[in-house]
Amino acid sequence: SQQGEEDPQALSIQEGENATMNCSYKTSINNLQWYRQNSGRGLVHLILIRSNEREKHSGRLRVTLDTSKKSSSLLITASRAADTASYFCATSSNTGKLIFGQGTTLQVKP
Amino acid sequence: GAGVSQSPSNKVTEKGKDVELRCDPISGHTALYWYRQSLGQGLEFLIYFQGNSAPDKSGLPSDRFSAERTGGSVSTLTIQRTQQEDSAVYLCASSFTVTSSDTQYFGPGTRLTVL
Repeated sequence: SQQGEEDPQALSIQEGENATMNCSYKTSINNLQWYRQNSGRGLVHLILIRSNEREKHSGRLRVTLDTSKKSSSLLITASRAADTASYFCATSSNTGKLIFGQGTTLQVKP
Repeated sequence: GAGVSQSPSNKVTEKGKDVELRCDPISGHTALYWYRQSLGQGLEFLIYFQGNSAPDKSGLPSDRFSAERTGGSVSTLTIQRTQQEDSAVYLCASSFTVTSSDTQYFGPGTRLTVL
């Protein structure tokens, strides 16, 4: 079963623009992670934010976490055509078992 | 070093047949996970193994699904008497341990099509 929802389901932007994706979850968590998936195959880990953190940066990625609202956002700045992919948030509690959101499909037009 | 590998990359089978999917985790990783990705259900956890501990099978959708991990390394996911709703991409991941803070590295997946 899915942990929560992501929005938007699909996002189309121009190269150079910023992309923001949101994720909501239902239960208490230890951390939240974001993954990217190209062409419906393997998932690539992007960033992990712990439940006691509010914001984290990695290169052009910025992730926020609001545990009171059970929500997270992923911001990709200065997007590139190569960022075109599906993005998933995933939560875990005491073990590494990941519960995924529905995903956001991002298209970056050159 | 080598990442997680899975075989076959694609599998087409007839309804009612059994299939075996294989996963080779990253060397030294003690935790191994299976997930399934289908159009209707999204990404779902199936089962994980951690060292010699009993696996967490809580995500297996029916008793037709089983998995084993031999020698703490390679894992095989077996689906018996396949049904059309089993069609999906089956993803394997491994991590150093099973704690929630360890990054899981995913394989390329096996696309299963049940006719």
